[in-house]
Amino acid sequence: GPKVLQIPSHQIIDMGQMVTLNCDPVSNHLYFYWYKQILGQQMEFLVNFYNGKVMEKSKLFKDQFSVERPDGSYFTLKIQPTALEDSAVYFCASSSGQGPYGQFFGPGTRLTVL
Amino acid sequence: GQQVQQSPASLVLQEGENAELQCNFSTSLNSMQWFYQRPGGSLVSLFYNPSGTKHSGRLTSTTVIKERRSSLHISSSQTTDSGTYLCALDPNTGYQNFYFGKGTSLTVIP
Repeated sequence: GPKVLQIPSHQIIDMGQMVTLNCDPVSNHLYFYWYKQILGQQMEFLVNFYNGKVMEKSKLFKDQFSVERPDGSYFTLKIQPTALEDSAVYFCASSSGQGPYGQFFGPGTRLTVL
Repeated sequence: GQQVQQSPASLVLQEGENAELQCNFSTSLNSMQWFYQRPGGSLVSLFYNPSGTKHSGRLTSTTVIKERRSSLHISSSQTTDSGTYLCALDPNTGYQNFYFGKGTSLTVIP
């Protein structure tokens, strides 16, 4: 079936550095999402993106976060600068915006900030 | 406040027993999506269920909007069913942002 890919699967960086997480969504999907899951905790919505714009974001989507999808390539989440509390698994998802399939999730990128 | 309450938090079954997982929600609902989260973290979509009952093999999902609940029934559980089950509420906002429950950790012992 359709798959969402995420690159890299694991990233380790020092606090204060910049990191870019990449997502290759399902090809004909129009809505893109990032979620954050701290180890052992609940999955939480960060942001959604449609038609080149952020449509909604949660309070977890700090000013240091940004998203883009230049020219239909990867949908990216950039964190600059990173903080210790950014350590988590970040999941990308995409959807066509209509049922009945809901959202398709990638396997996640495990970000470790030292 | 918490949009989605998932119960039980954990469940241990003997192989062959049935499991009933619940999600109760407090906000308006467009649909509920149920996922199985593998130990490595990746999500497998089980159902996208706006209302009524859906079946897939040994799994059944039932969403009752009036009662603000959705359930996942696993019949004749197997050890390979062990893992975390998540429900995610798709609220009626048009953007399909999900509010996740905290998950049910299921352990099936032989």
